[in-house]
Amino acid sequence: GENVEQHPSTLSVQEGDSAVIKCTYSDSASNYFPWYKQELGKRPQLIIDIRSNVGEKKDQRIAVTLNKTAKHFSLHITETQPEDSAVYFCAAWGGSNYKLTFGKGTLLTVNP
Amino acid sequence: NAGVTQTPKFQVLKTGQSMTLQCAQDMNHNSMYWYRQDPGMGLRLIYYSASEGTTDKGEVPNGYNVSRLNKREFSLRLESAAPSQTSVYFCASSVTGINQPQHFGDGTRLSIL
Repeated sequence: GENVEQHPSTLSVQEGDSAVIKCTYSDSASNYFPWYKQELGKRPQLIIDIRSNVGEKKDQRIAVTLNKTAKHFSLHITETQPEDSAVYFCAAWGGSNYKLTFGKGTLLTVNP
Repeated sequence: NAGVTQTPKFQVLKTGQSMTLQCAQDMNHNSMYWYRQDPGMGLRLIYYSASEGTTDKGEVPNGYNVSRLNKREFSLRLESAAPSQTSVYFCASSVTGINQPQHFGDGTRLSIL
């Protein structure tokens, strides 16, 4: 089955800096890669996603890049703000099953 | 729209008790999922229902059963609760099970003593 590795597990940045979270996946058939943000005690919420026919996608301060050859994808947050502090999860969907496999999460702390 | 609604929000059980977690969505989604979230483990799929009338095991199904009652509702049952099932349980839904974002409920925080 699919295996998703996410790094780093914790990330601390100063307000205004950029943050990058990286994920690798094992199943070359995976073709959909969402990113979720989860604030403390809240539900995971989709913030951006990318499909395998696209190499990069941006939404304001957030961007995701995908390298299918290397089987890795990354989340980039620019001009970080304290409200960006949360746990971020990457995920990969692929193959003939209906499973979305999640990484173990990255705790991002943005210091004012 | 309420989206995905889970009940209850909190529950404490004793070992051996049974319980059903309820989930309903009002987005006319075909696929529904149950996950558990434990510290440092991310989200792990317990069971899913690709469409009304079908259910399948996920990564960690032992100790659980599910029922897709209709298109809107998908329940998770613990027949004989164990302390290892202490977790936060999330229900999610998606338009279909293929390449679609999943929308999560607020979760049920379950403690088993």
